[in-house]
Amino acid sequence: GDSVTQMEGPVTLSEEAFLTINCTYTATGYPSLFWYVQYPGEGLQLLLKATKADDKGSNKGFEATYRKETTSFHLEKGSVQVSDSAVYFCAPHYGGSQGNLIFGKGTKLSVKP
Amino acid sequence: DTEVTQTPKHLVMGMTNKKSLKCEQHMGHRAMYWYKQKAKKPPELMFVYSYEKLSINESVPSRFSPECPNSSLLNLHLHALQPEDSALYLCASSPLETGELFFGEGSRLTVL
Repeated sequence: GDSVTQMEGPVTLSEEAFLTINCTYTATGYPSLFWYVQYPGEGLQLLLKATKADDKGSNKGFEATYRKETTSFHLEKGSVQVSDSAVYFCAPHYGGSQGNLIFGKGTKLSVKP
Repeated sequence: DTEVTQTPKHLVMGMTNKKSLKCEQHMGHRAMYWYKQKAKKPPELMFVYSYEKLSINESVPSRFSPECPNSSLLNLHLHALQPEDSALYLCASSPLETGELFFGEGSRLTVL
């Protein structure tokens, strides 16, 4: 079945470091791709999305590009802040049924001052 | 208004209690969801309502009973729960047929 593989955490970085969190998905169909973020004690929020190949989603300094050839949607940020500490979930949506949003296992990011 | 509001934020109940979780959204979304999230895990889909009709039930035990009274409200009725049901219960809504979900902050449930 459809699946997503996400970089295992936790990831610990110093403030202003460069961040990459890897995500790959199965190539069944043509999914839309999402990154969700969960700050401590909160629900999930949509961080960014991309709906077709070569689209770049961006928000709050984070970026991810829909790479069809490598079935990847890696999350990047050039300079992380302490306030970016959270759990990040990669999630492809395979369309059709509302249940076809598949969450990755999540990557916990801790940013130290 | 882009909020999904969940009440209560915290709930402690015994195994013989009956309680309900409530969720409300006013974004005009026609799909609403219940997810269960255990610590350090991704959310697990429990139920999906589309146009106020139950469209997906992910083999959830009958001690969880969802209800969608109207397009803005979603309830989850709880009865005879087990300690392993302790978790964060997240409500979400979305436009139909997209993966763009709007989540509430969750109801943290503890079953004693």
